Amino acid sequence: NAGVTQTPKFRVLKTGQSMTLLCAQDMNHEYMYWYRQDPGMGLRLIHYSVGEGTTAKGEVPDGYNVSRLKKQNFLLGLESAAPSQTSVYFCASSYVNTEAFFGQGTRLTVV
Amino acid sequence: GEDVEQSLFLSVREGDSSVINCTYTDSSSTYLYWYKQEPGAGLQLLTYIFSNMDMKQDQRLTVLLNKKDKHLSLRIADTQTGDSAIYFCAETGGGSTLGRLYFGRGTQLTVWP
Repeated sequence: NAGVTQTPKFRVLKTGQSMTLLCAQDMNHEYMYWYRQDPGMGLRLIHYSVGEGTTAKGEVPDGYNVSRLKKQNFLLGLESAAPSQTSVYFCASSYVNTEAFFGQGTRLTVV
Repeated sequence: GEDVEQSLFLSVREGDSSVINCTYTDSSSTYLYWYKQEPGAGLQLLTYIFSNMDMKQDQRLTVLLNKKDKHLSLRIADTQTGDSAIYFCAETGGGSTLGRLYFGRGTQLTVWP
């Protein structure tokens, strides 16, 4: 049982480059989330999805886009990376109002 | 998130009790959670409480909820060095924000031997 899998685990980007982070869950969860974690800031919600084909903005959505074309996958895109997007990104999934399961994180550095 | 606030640091001696506090603003919150994060790892659920409860106990953990004041606390009895970690309070939205899951900034708990 893989749970929540994030790829890649590490990435270095140059300013202005684009990339997509992939989150996959095999628990048939309805809800999926993308967070970023920065020192002293805790986890801040970027975008979330309450079902296939739906997405909603969280606290810090600017500079990111998401898609949920399949129930098991939630993609986070950075169209033009900036140094301020250097962070650790976590994906999570859950059933309705139950425990959220987290991936191991993606450490992204934008130089 | 700014809707969920916690103190950032707590230090206790091994064997003492730890109390971590959290306040939230969304009156439609349905569930409130405590998660634990160890260095270099993702978050793991410790316990949760439904918004119509005022207390929940689970072994060494006691959660107290004051819904009127929107205040949540986590008490860890007989704190051990292995409890050193970051503890996050989180709340789920209700109504139009159903599905949203907001976290506080986390409380770094340090347990001294």
